[in-house]
Amino acid sequence: DGGITQSPKYLFRKEGQNVTLSCEQNLNHDAMYWYRQDPGQGLRLIYYSQIVNDFQKGDIAEGYSVSREKKESFPLTVTSAQKNPTAFYLCASSIGGGEEKLFFGSGTQLSVL
Amino acid sequence: DQQVKQNSPSLSVQEGRISILNCDYTNSMFDYFLWYKKYPAEGPTFLISISSIKDKNEDGRFTVFLNKSAKHLSLHIVPSQPGDSAVYFCAASVRGDDKIIFGKGTRLHILP
Repeated sequence: DGGITQSPKYLFRKEGQNVTLSCEQNLNHDAMYWYRQDPGQGLRLIYYSQIVNDFQKGDIAEGYSVSREKKESFPLTVTSAQKNPTAFYLCASSIGGGEEKLFFGSGTQLSVL
Repeated sequence: DQQVKQNSPSLSVQEGRISILNCDYTNSMFDYFLWYKKYPAEGPTFLISISSIKDKNEDGRFTVFLNKSAKHLSLHIVPSQPGDSAVYFCAASVRGDDKIIFGKGTRLHILP
């Protein structure tokens, strides 16, 4: 049963703490993405990766970091430098190479304690 | 600088009638457009797409129209059903770039 799995569903961060959101896909997709959704802001691109060991900044990369050591995994770390981390985070993947139909995970809601 | 704009935050339509959701874009390099549907606390699901070489694409109750000269696209849903109540996102990309830009979304309410 192919798809994208995000974990955890809910996550709480203390001030000054780094937290990592997990994203795993078994669709054999080359490209993976992280978006952030805030009320009234739509989906804003944080980072994306077109291939293993390579990634590019999106529109709001400050305060976030990613890695792409394996094709199926694209974890996102929300660092203490991100001053407003409360949001709904969505991971997605696509075949890549110009086929931009995205498949999304079910999201992680991050809140600050 | 918003490259994909959905200027209507919400829209209410009677069940059985046509729903028309609009989207404007500013980047003339965009050549591929997509519509996604999203329920609360879930990931968006793909609805329909259109390439810039076409001006219409139809899939069941969903039709997307593209007007390149006006940099405008619209999603038509007919007939509208209660399950269509959701937030609809317009998205655009440049083929080969893999970077996909979303609008802010339009919340569609289907009224009984």
